[in-house]
Amino acid sequence: DIVMTQSPLSLPVTPGEPASISCRSSQSLLHRNGYNYLEWYLLKPGQTPQLLIYMSSNRPSGVPDRFSGSGSGTDFTLKISRVEAEDVGVYYCMQALQTPRTFGQGTNVEIK
Amino acid sequence: QVRLQESGPGLVKPSETLSLICTVSGGSTRGYYWSWVRQSPEKGLEWIAYIYNSVTTNYNPSLKSRVAISVDASKNQLSLKLSSVTAADTAVYYCARHGAVSLPQGGYYYNMDVWGKGTTVTVSS
Repeated sequence: DIVMTQSPLSLPVTPGEPASISCRSSQSLLHRNGYNYLEWYLLKPGQTPQLLIYMSSNRPSGVPDRFSGSGSGTDFTLKISRVEAEDVGVYYCMQALQTPRTFGQGTNVEIK
Repeated sequence: QVRLQESGPGLVKPSETLSLICTVSGGSTRGYYWSWVRQSPEKGLEWIAYIYNSVTTNYNPSLKSRVAISVDASKNQLSLKLSSVTAADTAVYYCARHGAVSLPQGGYYYNMDVWGKGTTVTVSS
């Protein structure tokens, strides 16, 4: 199985400030089609989990543009340009290259 | 707008079988991949399995011997059965739809673009 490692696991943030989460995979997520099979999800208690980023850097419609994803191969980053209070929750990266799909440990983002 | 709703018993006894249903509204189960995912404090998020049109299934090897998933297109429902449960199976269980993104060079990329709110299952006597 591909092992996904996130850092940090806890991230206190200040509203209006940027934030960044790192995700590393145990093997390259670059598909032969040239795309990286890496996704980011946000889970909030009692709410529907949300897909934030797919193929490393693509944002689904409806996801605010303050969220951006980057990276290739084994190293990826999720950035929030200016954190808002509603962004609190647990962020997970997930590899979609192989089954079983595997997730990072999660990063708990909370307001300072 | 497609909505997913998981349902099932909140409490299951050890060694018994956990049975969950995911009801799809606002859309069809046909033509999509569907996954089950669970979240526990100990393991975080864990992908369980996916199914496509009742024909194609793929299971997490760590659970494969105990899991069965199915789709009832006539009822617009998905089903998850997990046998011989233990306390380690205590989790929030989610169903999710895989949306298809067409690629410029052909083919599709599938991501879990719609999720249910999840249902909490506790395994305890």
